[in-house]
Amino acid sequence: AQSVTQPDIHITVSEGASLELRCNYSYGATPYLFWYVQSPGQGLQLLLKYFSGDTLVQGIKGFEAEFKRSQSSFNLRKPSVHWSDAAEYFCAVGPLTGGGNKLTFGTGTQLKVEL
Amino acid sequence: GAVVSQHPSRVICKSGTSVKIECRSLDFQATTMFWYRQFPKQSLMLMATSNEGSKATYEQGVEKDKFLINHASLTLSTLTVTSAHPEDSSFYICSAQDGSGNTIYFGEGSWLTVV
Repeated sequence: AQSVTQPDIHITVSEGASLELRCNYSYGATPYLFWYVQSPGQGLQLLLKYFSGDTLVQGIKGFEAEFKRSQSSFNLRKPSVHWSDAAEYFCAVGPLTGGGNKLTFGTGTQLKVEL
Repeated sequence: GAVVSQHPSRVICKSGTSVKIECRSLDFQATTMFWYRQFPKQSLMLMATSNEGSKATYEQGVEKDKFLINHASLTLSTLTVTSAHPEDSSFYICSAQDGSGNTIYFGEGSWLTVV
């Protein structure tokens, strides 16, 4: 069964500082990997995704993530955090088969940005 | 990017009544949509997979007679919470898989409060 672990429930960083949110997954084959962001009371917005190819993927809002197969990780990074980045971040994993993909989500990491 | 819209964004209903939530893919056809439930400060729990033209596939523990799902067209899936009770109060989010099968987009979510 596929699973996702986000070890950090809460993270606080200062505005302008760098950010790394951790994500580890368990899956029997090469997975689809996603990062979503959720603002309070809102739906989820896709930040970036990895299917294959270059293991460093660029997303929106200056985010990037690196797929490391040997570590089963897909950590999200941003060089300089903005106050508007404060939100809940979810890592998700899904199978590679087309049609009917079911995503499994991590428990989320709440990001707080100090001014 | 692709857009998925949910309606209503917020609804309050009386205990014992039924309420319908709509999920629409606005600029692509979605043969498969997903319904999630999210409790406060928790991750998303997949409730069911909605397949256009066929019966929905429910996750274990989800009452299919209580949470009726209809996917009558390639752009619309509906979730009806029947005989709602206060414990059904939650944030419900739908998602739709785009035509390539590679990306899943989420709606804005619907807050249901049963009083």
